[in-house]
Amino acid sequence: QQQVKQSPQSLIVQKGGISIINCAYENTAFDYFPWYQQFPGKGPALLIAIRPDVSEKKEGRFTISFNKSAKQFSLHIMDSQPGDSATYFCAASKGGTSYGKLTFGQGTILTVHP
Amino acid sequence: EAGVVQSPRYKIIEKKQPVAFWCNPISGHNTLYWYLQNLGQGPELLIRYENEEAVDDSQLPKDRFSAERLKGVDSTLKIQPAELGDSAVYLCASSSRDRLGELFFGEGSRLTVL
Repeated sequence: QQQVKQSPQSLIVQKGGISIINCAYENTAFDYFPWYQQFPGKGPALLIAIRPDVSEKKEGRFTISFNKSAKQFSLHIMDSQPGDSATYFCAASKGGTSYGKLTFGQGTILTVHP
Repeated sequence: EAGVVQSPRYKIIEKKQPVAFWCNPISGHNTLYWYLQNLGQGPELLIRYENEEAVDDSQLPKDRFSAERLKGVDSTLKIQPAELGDSAVYLCASSSRDRLGELFFGEGSRLTVL
């Protein structure tokens, strides 16, 4: 069962543009929604995360928007840079001791052209 | 501070052979995870340890996979015998007790089964 669906599979953006990646989840017990960034040959690294008590969280150029009623959340990358080119994964987990038991989306390959 | 260390980085074996992967988590991190990442997919949890206890191993194919975390520090994941479908990247991650949702991943061990 695919519990976290991510789109698009790939995304090409010009330098300075806005990159938007969307995720939808099914399990209403999920309580924690992180985004991970992965470069080729490296492990994923936490980028930003949100809990459902807020609708938006911003850290620098990265913003998560969260819609609890629609069971959707998205990552916005403002002023996209070539160095942002990587694979991005949304994820979700239940709270308590299960925060690290992540269910990942399929990933989005982002390419930012200079 | 050293990150999560995994070895070997790459391993090529013939089917039916055994293989083992080793992980040393970040010092002081009591929670350790093994995730499986197939090509073009998001990671999937195999097993989660709290100190030396496996608290979640429901996704571990126990007929051929085994794992241990002696003394609650480093961990070993073993496959015996390996099958063609086991070709993937095996990621190890760790997290601290006070920041359970922030997983620190190693660079992974890429397995190719011929």
